[in-house]
Amino acid sequence: KQEVTQIPAALSVPEGENLVLNCSFTDSAIYNLQWFRQDPGKGLTSLLLIQSSQREQTSGRLNASLDKSSGRSTLYIAASQPGDSATYLCAVKTGANSKLTFGKGITLSVRP
Amino acid sequence: EAQVTQNPRYLITVTGKKLTVTCSQNMNHEYMSWYRQDPGLGLRQIYYSMNVEVTDKGDVPEGYKVSRKEKRNFPLILESPSPNQTSLYFCASSFTRGATGELFFGEGSRLTVL
Repeated sequence: KQEVTQIPAALSVPEGENLVLNCSFTDSAIYNLQWFRQDPGKGLTSLLLIQSSQREQTSGRLNASLDKSSGRSTLYIAASQPGDSATYLCAVKTGANSKLTFGKGITLSVRP
Repeated sequence: EAQVTQNPRYLITVTGKKLTVTCSQNMNHEYMSWYRQDPGLGLRQIYYSMNVEVTDKGDVPEGYKVSRKEKRNFPLILESPSPNQTSLYFCASSFTRGATGELFFGEGSRLTVL
């Protein structure tokens, strides 16, 4: 059974800092991995999707990497801003027709 | 605009009063799913559907029903709600064949059962 872990559960950084959010998974036979952002009381917004054959994806100040063999993904946020404050979740899909397994998320606070 | 729409967004009801949360997507996605999100427990899948007339249980299906009569709609039915079903509910959809499988979420429906 796939398990997805995100540690730490919360993180507070000063504005402008570059930061890395970690996601680890137990079954390396994944189909894809997706990073989401969730603002309080809101839905999940897809940030980046990495297919199993890819090593990384970039969108603006965000870069997500995938290392299947070690069961890890990282979300790199460059030059963090207070508007980046949110909960970041990673989710792993194991098989084309299978469900996503979610981590519990990392709540990020960027201090002005 | 491509989106997943849930209604109602907020609902307070009483124990035992049947309710339905609707979900509709306009992206022609085959796959649709319902999740509930609770503090400390994260997102848990309730039911999912791979296509019309095909539904399957997720991790926490007890107390819920779903149907998939049309591709765009996937309503969640609580026949006899109980207080432990107080939660934040999300509907999501994606393609399953020949595409990336990126999952799109609705805005959520906050349900309180008294």
